[in-house]
Amino acid sequence: AQSVSQHNHHVILSEAASLELGCNYSYGGTVNLFWYVQYPGQHLQLLLKYFSGDPLVKGIKGFEAEFIKSKFSFNLRKPSVQWSDTAEYFCAVNKDTDKLIFGTGTRLQVFP
Amino acid sequence: NAGVTQTPKFQVLKTGQSMTLQCAQDMNHEYMSWYRQDPGMGLRLIHYSVGAGITDQGEVPNGYNVSRSTTEDFPLRLLSAAPSQTSVYFCASSYGASEGKQFFGPGTRLTVL
Repeated sequence: AQSVSQHNHHVILSEAASLELGCNYSYGGTVNLFWYVQYPGQHLQLLLKYFSGDPLVKGIKGFEAEFIKSKFSFNLRKPSVQWSDTAEYFCAVNKDTDKLIFGTGTRLQVFP
Repeated sequence: NAGVTQTPKFQVLKTGQSMTLQCAQDMNHEYMSWYRQDPGMGLRLIHYSVGAGITDQGEVPNGYNVSRSTTEDFPLRLLSAAPSQTSVYFCASSYGASEGKQFFGPGTRLTVL
């Protein structure tokens, strides 16, 4: 079945460490890709999105993601995390239809 | 603008009871959707609508009904609640699914005993 996979379920980092969260999808053809973040007690917010063009996308709060078509991946990165980045991160994919399908999420904990 | 509103915020049901989760948006968005969020499973799409009068099934539609009689409202109905439907339910809206920026409501935490 077509899906969105996030293999890192729980990531623990110290402040200033670099972050990379994996996202792979199994849809062929043209896709739109998103990363959402859910801070504790809050609802989801859009971090960044990729529709076309430059495969390196910059989002809010210093996050970026790289679309690698050959690997069906859209990994999220941040060079230096902060305690305030503690949250759950969701990758999402939209293809052709109006469905937006989410991955299972990655919980990130950042310790001071 | 109030954005996306959901009521109630919390609900406890007994098995077999029915109820409707309300969702409304005041941004004139065509696309609305319902997700359930469960630990370790992320958000799963239940039903969605691309406009008034049009609805379609998502990944996990069984046990849920929806209707879209107006652009603003997209209620989710549980006809006969089951413990497996214990979850947090989020409603979202946007100009289109591919538009990218989905606006999420605050969620409804439902417990079915």
